[in-house]
Amino acid sequence: NAGVTQTPKFRILKIGQSMTLQCTQDMNHNYMYWYRQDPGMGLKLIYYSVGAGITDKGEVPNGYNVSRSTTEDFPLRLELAAPSQTSVYFCASSYRPRHEQFFGPGTRLTVL
Amino acid sequence: EDQVTQSPEALRLQEGESSSLNCSYTVSGLRGLFWYRQDPGKGPEFLFTLYSAGEEKEKERLKATLTKKESFLHITAPKPEDSATYLCAVQANRDDKIIFGKGTRLHILP
Repeated sequence: NAGVTQTPKFRILKIGQSMTLQCTQDMNHNYMYWYRQDPGMGLKLIYYSVGAGITDKGEVPNGYNVSRSTTEDFPLRLELAAPSQTSVYFCASSYRPRHEQFFGPGTRLTVL
Repeated sequence: EDQVTQSPEALRLQEGESSSLNCSYTVSGLRGLFWYRQDPGKGPEFLFTLYSAGEEKEKERLKATLTKKESFLHITAPKPEDSATYLCAVQANRDDKIIFGKGTRLHILP
């Protein structure tokens, strides 16, 4: 099992550009999450999904969009990138919210 | 508003010097409290889940405890490889969101 995989590992964007962060899990988990982590700030929930076709906002959803067409994939879309979106992004999945989350290796994004 | 506060922000210990990390939480009905370890440049790794006050769990040199207002992560006779950031998170009864604290950076000196 690969667990949770994320691509790309690093990316530099210019202000106003768009991109999609990819996340795939092979554990057949229904629950998937996107977090951002700024230095010394812990993890902030951006969006989460409880199953294919169902998504909901977290604490910091502005500037992001998600979709969940399959159980395995949960891409995060950034439209009109801004310097405030410079961060490390982690995708995670779990069997149920009460259960442990499995995290991907992260994507380090810089917006200049 | 649900909140998770971890203290201290950073802790330096000598190898073998036991200590505790604190996680205070405010949540309307706790469904679960989680501890994770995060090494630099990596995603968090799961350590423990605690569901009710009085519950304790152990793994090697780590022991997690839970009361109605806080959780402690006790580290006994730590080694340099225990150096990492330790994250606490909670889930409330009312929804599926997980709220993380800012973490405690632990550095164990040889």
